Amino acid sequence: SYELTQPPSVSVSPGQTARITCSGDALPKKYAYWYQQKSGQAPVLVIYEDSKRPSGIPERFSGSSSGTMATLTISGAQVEDEADYYCYSTDSSGNLRVFGGGTKLAVL
Amino acid sequence: QLQLQESGPGLVKPSETLSLTCTVSGGSISSSNYYWGWIRQPPGKGLEWIGSIYYSGSPYYNPSLKSRVTISVDTSKNQFSLKLSSVTAADTAVYYCAREEDDTNWFDPWGQGTLVTVSS
Repeated sequence: SYELTQPPSVSVSPGQTARITCSGDALPKKYAYWYQQKSGQAPVLVIYEDSKRPSGIPERFSGSSSGTMATLTISGAQVEDEADYYCYSTDSSGNLRVFGGGTKLAVL
Repeated sequence: QLQLQESGPGLVKPSETLSLTCTVSGGSISSSNYYWGWIRQPPGKGLEWIGSIYYSGSPYYNPSLKSRVTISVDTSKNQFSLKLSSVTAADTAVYYCAREEDDTNWFDPWGQGTLVTVSS
């Protein structure tokens, strides 16, 4: 089996920078992806291939990856960014798709 | 714009088989660049990958569910399906279908999800 580990919760004040981490042994070899899920909605991709931002995603969302840890950064977090965030990747074989346990971001 | 829509019974009895279908519109399920996947989310919990399939077959399953899961594709209807056998209350979840990139395996877009409750 393979696991991606995230902190259960992160809290920041509006305008501050929020950082959510994701650790996994295969991350040096495999891309990390980040999904935002607001209450009652399907997940939305906010970062792909470690650091790329899909069209329509605000510039305040950025991603990075170093060694066994990937990080989602929200610069100048806004109240509307309150959501659950999930990292996603695969094991080293690429056959097992895995989501992290999710991080609840509070902006208050 | 590609869209996916899940459909199927919202209530399944324990020990029976859960069956869902995902209908793809705005694009072809036979594209060689994509897999098609199922992901679920129990109420109040995180996301769990169930399995993925290429348009020509060749499914991959989560080992934790492999003994109970079958994913198939019907290119003539532009649909793919999920069957999960011997369900229990632990299988109660919102079930999502999604398109998966072939080489990098990320999911986008997703369907809106459908809640399946396992209860007698």
